[in-house]
Amino acid sequence: DAGVTQTPRHEVAEKGQTIILKCEPVSGHNDLFWYRQTKIQGLELLSYFRSKSLMEDGGAFKDRFKAEMLNSSFSTLKIQPTEPKDSAVYLCASSFRQGENQAPLFGEGTRLSVL
Amino acid sequence: GDSVTQTEGQVALSEEDFLTIHCNYSASGYPALFWYVQYPGEGPQFLFRASRDKEKGSSRGFEATYDKGTTSFHLRKASVQESDSAVYYCALNTGNYKYVFGAGTRLKVIA
Repeated sequence: DAGVTQTPRHEVAEKGQTIILKCEPVSGHNDLFWYRQTKIQGLELLSYFRSKSLMEDGGAFKDRFKAEMLNSSFSTLKIQPTEPKDSAVYLCASSFRQGENQAPLFGEGTRLSVL
Repeated sequence: GDSVTQTEGQVALSEEDFLTIHCNYSASGYPALFWYVQYPGEGPQFLFRASRDKEKGSSRGFEATYDKGTTSFHLRKASVQESDSAVYYCALNTGNYKYVFGAGTRLKVIA
């Protein structure tokens, strides 16, 4: 079975640029998450979609981060404009909404470096 | 708020040693508990979950038992291999969309 697919695996951006990260969730999953991972903060939730509807828009991240889910099989995370402090690994995860099989499955992540 | 505490930041073992990584949680409800493993350059991989007191989860030789009395979900493996070197995360979920992850425990197994 195909897992969560994230592209690109690596991204290098200049400060002030706009970047778009992409995610294809596991087919049939109805929850989708975007996380940011850093050594200091660990895993931080950026956005959450339930059946394509945005339920969590990131709180402190919302001013420059925007996640969208155009259809059930594709999501994007836009960072505009980028800042050096955005350098991190961005992880997409998907899961079933409920039940014994509920557990977020993660993609391999996109490592972002902002110069 | 809900929280997960992993006592050990790093663990160093020799091959065939017994592994224990401690995980304690604090939650207002009755959470589901999870273990994930993350290898360098990859995303966290789901190992297993447990959702009831005394339930044991297991996968790939790793196991943990949900203990509501001590609010713990310690990860154990009888005999580690060099290939088990990775970062291990304990997590909980109380039924909404928010998963709370521990800070992670880095395991290094020396051949």
